[in-house]
Amino acid sequence: QKEVEQNSGPLSVPEGAIASLNCTYSDRVSQSFFWYRQYSGKSPELIMSIYSNGDKEDGRFTAQLNKASQYVSLLIRDSQPSDSATYLCAVTDGGSQGNLIFGKGTKLSVKP
Amino acid sequence: DTEVTQTPKHLVMGMTNKKSLKCEQHMGHRAMYWYKQKAKKPPELMFVYSYEKLSINESVPSRFSPECPNSSLLNLHLHALQPEDSALYLCASSPRQGDLIEQYFGPGTRLTVT
Repeated sequence: QKEVEQNSGPLSVPEGAIASLNCTYSDRVSQSFFWYRQYSGKSPELIMSIYSNGDKEDGRFTAQLNKASQYVSLLIRDSQPSDSATYLCAVTDGGSQGNLIFGKGTKLSVKP
Repeated sequence: DTEVTQTPKHLVMGMTNKKSLKCEQHMGHRAMYWYKQKAKKPPELMFVYSYEKLSINESVPSRFSPECPNSSLLNLHLHALQPEDSALYLCASSPRQGDLIEQYFGPGTRLTVT
C-alpha cells in the first residue's frame, strides 16, 4: 500500500513566523511531489511542485525534497492569517501514469 | 492561465434523479480527471481521460458515468446515487497524463444526494 503521511495538525504559528509542514512517502520510485493549499469549502490550489532533491523557492514558499529519506517539506516564511488552510502533500505513485497519492493534509492556523 | 471551470457549483438531487456535472478547460491540456472528496479527507481519484480516451477507472460504481466529448470538456453523468455519494466532486486537468506533470483543479461541484 503506497502511503503519504502528514501530521494532521492543527499547526498553529504566530503571524510573521515560519510555518514548517512535513510529509513522508512510502514509494521509493515516486518522482513528482506537490503541495496544494485548500481553504475550507474550496478546491485544492497548487502552490509548489518539486522533482529534484534540494530546495525550490517561490516567493514566501520553499519546498524541500530529500528522496533518500523519502521526505518532502514546505516552509512558509512570514506567515499571514490568509495562509490559514489545509495543506495537502501529493506524490506520484511511481507508475507511468503519474497518479497522485494525497496525504490527509495538515491544517495550518496563523494567529494575528 | 490555469483555469478549470466546473458547473454547477452546488447540486441537490434525489436518489432517482439523473444529473450531469460539467468541467471545461481551455489550456490545451490533454488529460482530465475526476476526483471525489469527502469532508476532512483527501481527494480520491475516480477517472482519468487521456487524449479523450478513458485511461483509468478506479473501480467506480456504474452509477457514475464519465464522458469526454472533446479535448476541452469532461462530463460526469450521475444516476441512482446514494446518500453516501454526497461529496465535493473535483475536476482537474494537466498538459498530459504522466509523471513530472502538474495537475490543476477546478472549483468543484458540491453534491448532496437526498
